[in-house]
Amino acid sequence: EVVLTQSPDFQSVTPKEKVTITCRASQSIGSSLHWYQQKPAQSPKLLIKYASQSISGVPSRFSGSGSGTDFTLTINSLEAEDAATYYCHQSGSLPQAFGGGTKLEIK
Amino acid sequence: EVRLVESGGKLVQPGRSLRLSCAASGFTFDDYAMHWVRQAPGKGLEWVSGIYWNSGTTAYADSVKGRFTISRDNAKSSLYLQMNSLRAEDTALYYCAKDIEHFLQAPIEWGQGTLVTVSS
Repeated sequence: EVVLTQSPDFQSVTPKEKVTITCRASQSIGSSLHWYQQKPAQSPKLLIKYASQSISGVPSRFSGSGSGTDFTLTINSLEAEDAATYYCHQSGSLPQAFGGGTKLEIK
Repeated sequence: EVRLVESGGKLVQPGRSLRLSCAASGFTFDDYAMHWVRQAPGKGLEWVSGIYWNSGTTAYADSVKGRFTISRDNAKSSLYLQMNSLRAEDTALYYCAKDIEHFLQAPIEWGQGTLVTVSS
């Protein structure tokens, strides 16, 4: 079973700042890593698929990178609406799994 | 427009069974894999189970394996989760989600969830 470890658990940032969230897999999963955003009382939203592929309708300030065991979600020029919890998710091995989440607070 | 509507959640006693349903519309249901994902109150997302477009492959989280069974009826555009031997730790909001592919990859469309509470 693949375990995903995200860091940090929480981050307080100011608008226009650049944010980096990392996700480490307990074993290699190739590029089968996806990123989600969840705002309070809302269902999750897919931001990035297969580590770095963009999703239609998602702002271009969201980008992803990485392969194997180490992955990164980058948010350039943070906006107030980006306050949310971010999760990585792996589909490289069954059972699938989510990371523990990173809560982003906007100062 | 893709629409996923979960139902069946309720308060149930430990050890009892419950069946969740998810009615899908707005897309060709039998072209896509489907998932169940849950979220305990105030906690993170937990992948529960998934099923291929043709029911040929199913998968479960270790926490529910042997107790939960996922199934789908492509003729009815419906997804199900049979939950047996329920425990307090199964208390959560259960989401139904559509995959981006016909095999299990990434959930992209999500319902609003149905709440399961396991308590005596």
